Amino acid sequence: EVQLVESGGGLVKPGSSLKLSCVASGFTFSSYGMHWIRQAPKKGLEWIALIYYDSSNKYYADSVKGRFTISRDNSKNTLYLEMNSLRSEDTAMYYCGGGYRFDYWGQGVMVTVSS
Amino acid sequence: DIQMTQSPSTLPASLGERVTINCRASRGISNNLNWYQQKPDGTIKRLIYYTSNLQSGVPSRFSGSGSGTDYSLTISSLEPEDLAMYYCQQYASSPYTFGAGTKLELK
Repeated sequence: EVQLVESGGGLVKPGSSLKLSCVASGFTFSSYGMHWIRQAPKKGLEWIALIYYDSSNKYYADSVKGRFTISRDNSKNTLYLEMNSLRSEDTAMYYCGGGYRFDYWGQGVMVTVSS
Repeated sequence: DIQMTQSPSTLPASLGERVTINCRASRGISNNLNWYQQKPDGTIKRLIYYTSNLQSGVPSRFSGSGSGTDYSLTISSLEPEDLAMYYCQQYASSPYTFGAGTKLELK
């Protein structure tokens, strides 16, 4: 059974940093591109980052470029999202997605940015 | 960026009814389109990939069609468990944009 389990969310103040993790199981993680997608409260879905299977390429939405960094550790079947200079508008549920075509989704982890 | 215009935003329907949700891309996306269902607890499930391919385990009452810029998701006979939010998404080019969503509710 495929599982993607996100962790690392919480309540943080504006300007601070946070690092999310997504542990994958049930598929060959090292062969799959991986995404982060977020959803602000009562809003729609927003793709924010993609990393290729071998970390050779990374792509970001303009809204997070220069502040967020996607990375992965294939030896640990884990995807990361390092978030810096957090703003109130970054408050959202963050989902990891597996596969270039978004085959698999996690349950999400909540990040709240508030003073 | 490719804009995805999804309609309607709300769709009141009766159980057993055939329903269709539409999605229009601002330029051609070569069938690189997913459909998702999101339940009230936040769980997101891919229903359809590459326009018309049914995800494993998804009931056959769900189908997708389209080409070029216009795509649609059809539920042939609405079941109670289908009441949810639905989103389209293009993955033809980054940024991989989503439609604004359709809330499928009981009439």
